[in-house]
Amino acid sequence: KAGVTQTPRYLIKTRGQQVTLSCSPISGHRSVSWYQQTPGQGLQFLFEYFSETQRNKGNFPGRFSGRQFSNSRSEMNVSTLELGDSALYLCASGDGQGTEAFFGQGTRLTVV
Amino acid sequence: GNSVTQMEGPVTLSEEAFLTINCTYTATGYPSLFWYVQYPGEGLQLLLKATKADDKGSNKGFEATYRKETTSFHLEKGSVQVSDSAVYFCALRYAGGTSYGKLTFGQGTILTVHP
Repeated sequence: KAGVTQTPRYLIKTRGQQVTLSCSPISGHRSVSWYQQTPGQGLQFLFEYFSETQRNKGNFPGRFSGRQFSNSRSEMNVSTLELGDSALYLCASGDGQGTEAFFGQGTRLTVV
Repeated sequence: GNSVTQMEGPVTLSEEAFLTINCTYTATGYPSLFWYVQYPGEGLQLLLKATKADDKGSNKGFEATYRKETTSFHLEKGSVQVSDSAVYFCALRYAGGTSYGKLTFGQGTILTVHP
């Protein structure tokens, strides 16, 4: 069974640009969650999607948005990038019933 | 709100030493508890889990017991190896209310094991 796939693995963007990250969950999983990992703030929850609906959202500005498609693949978008958005963005896949979550390898975003 | 507190690191041990990483939590209701491990340049891997009080999760020689009376979920391993060097995260998930899939993580503990 394939794991969680995140693309791309690495990104370098300039301040003010926007970026889209992609996550393909484990086959059969309908829940996709996104997390931001930084040395200073640790792992912070961004949002969770289940069957194309956002069920939960963390405390991030509106520049951070996401969506989920009918095949459960999810994208996360960050507009008007700031230096502080440099981080490892992790996607987690689950069955949506509150059981364990399985993570992808992450996308390393660097904003210059 | 929900929170997780892990012991401060980094932790440095010699091979075959005993490992304990403390984790305590604050949560309403009855959360599920997890330990994740992160190797350099990688995402998080689920190490073990426990979903109710007194459950013991175990995997690859690691163990943790869900202690509701002390709100703790300490990670232990009897004999660590160099390959166990990584960052360990304690996390909780409360499936009720509006929390759904949200995991709340501790700050992580860096473990280094020397030969």
